[in-house]
Amino acid sequence: QKEVEQNSGPLSVPEGAIASLNCTYSDRGSQSFFWYRQYSGKSPELIMFIYSNGDKEDGRFTAQLNKASQYVSLLIRDSQPSDSATYLCAVKEGNFGNEKLTFGTGTRLTIIP
Amino acid sequence: GAGVSQSPRYKVAKRGQDVALRCDPISGHVSLFWYQQALGQGPEFLTYFQNEAQLDKSGLPSDRFFAERPEGSVSTLKIQRTQQEDSAVYLCASTRVGGELFFGEGSRLTVL
Repeated sequence: QKEVEQNSGPLSVPEGAIASLNCTYSDRGSQSFFWYRQYSGKSPELIMFIYSNGDKEDGRFTAQLNKASQYVSLLIRDSQPSDSATYLCAVKEGNFGNEKLTFGTGTRLTIIP
Repeated sequence: GAGVSQSPRYKVAKRGQDVALRCDPISGHVSLFWYQQALGQGPEFLTYFQNEAQLDKSGLPSDRFFAERPEGSVSTLKIQRTQQEDSAVYLCASTRVGGELFFGEGSRLTVL
């Protein structure tokens, strides 16, 4: 059973601070990693993806990947109340043509004004 | 359409009834996925189509669940003899091969 593990939270962060979300995965063959944001009652929307070890930055968001440790994280700088949502980590296998994503249970983030 | 369209958005069924959930993917998207999301959980994979071919149905929880995409576009997820544990949001997503996964708004099924 391929697993993606996340701390379910809730994680509370003051407005303007850095929110750090973590995810571990069990399948060493995983090649692609995704962070989705899901507002209550809405569908998941893609924030970032990362394929290579290291950091990838996009605006206030930074994804970090460490394949040796099977660990991926998402940092949100200058947190805003609108960032309050559930953040889902998702992993894709390395097999060509296998587009299936395996999701974690999500971390609920609350930004405190 | 501009996005993935799912219907009905809400469905209440009595235990034992059959239900059908429809997904209309983004035009031109080859791949289509169905996920089940229980309250407070992440989406759980059910099944995956590439065009009309069902390439992976390993996530379907029982033989009461059946999905089809006969012309490689619209897909239907059918649940026979619904049980209370089937209550969840059923999410459909579509993508070009290797592209970003776009989700529909989901169909919320409540089985009484």
